[in-house]
Amino acid sequence: DTAVSQTPKYLVTQMGNDKSIKCEQNLGHDTMYWYKQDSKKFLKIMFSYNNKELIINETVPNRFSPKSPDKAHLNLHINSLELGDSAVYFCASSFPGTGGTGELFFGEGSRLTVL
Amino acid sequence: LAKTTQPISMDSYEGQEVNITCSHNNIATNDYITWYQQFPSQGPRFIIQGYKTKVTNEVASLFIPADRKSSTLSLPRVSLSDTAVYYCLVGDRGLKSSGDKLTFGTGTRLAVRP
Repeated sequence: DTAVSQTPKYLVTQMGNDKSIKCEQNLGHDTMYWYKQDSKKFLKIMFSYNNKELIINETVPNRFSPKSPDKAHLNLHINSLELGDSAVYFCASSFPGTGGTGELFFGEGSRLTVL
Repeated sequence: LAKTTQPISMDSYEGQEVNITCSHNNIATNDYITWYQQFPSQGPRFIIQGYKTKVTNEVASLFIPADRKSSTLSLPRVSLSDTAVYYCLVGDRGLKSSGDKLTFGTGTRLAVRP
């Protein structure tokens, strides 16, 4: 049983297209995230949702729009794709920390290549 | 948010103990220190977390000096399968706090050789 699952695992598309990445977690967590890992392996947070409410939006272009239909799902839609959007996108989930950093559970990543 | 600094890469041989140090000079009182491991083509995986002194689990030990301005992840008797990138994070994750912005640094790329 995959705890945090993302689809698709690979995505190749042309500049200007719109694409979506889906994420689901079956851990019962309240908080979900999207991270972007670029070619230099920097892993940067993009969004965070707690119980379907957006709590973090880290200066991500408006072309990126997260949607959380329920607390087990957090999807990422990207409009007008650009070459610089090529990266691996990771979904993660956690319980809200009661002290310290709540352990993050990551999916396997979705590798997006924009041509 | 406390910024972390780690060595970019380290090399080791099978069976050796590996110590990876992370500097976090401006760590806040409520911050915890967490380490993650990432294999190629996989998401990061939680290894260990601590606040002060020493924490040990079945995978690693975490040493934190009294001033908490640094921490050391210790991997006993590494094997080839420990080749991965190791990230040190510092933050406070109270509910909806700004500490939710867990930022991963560049990580340390550990290569274990036969």
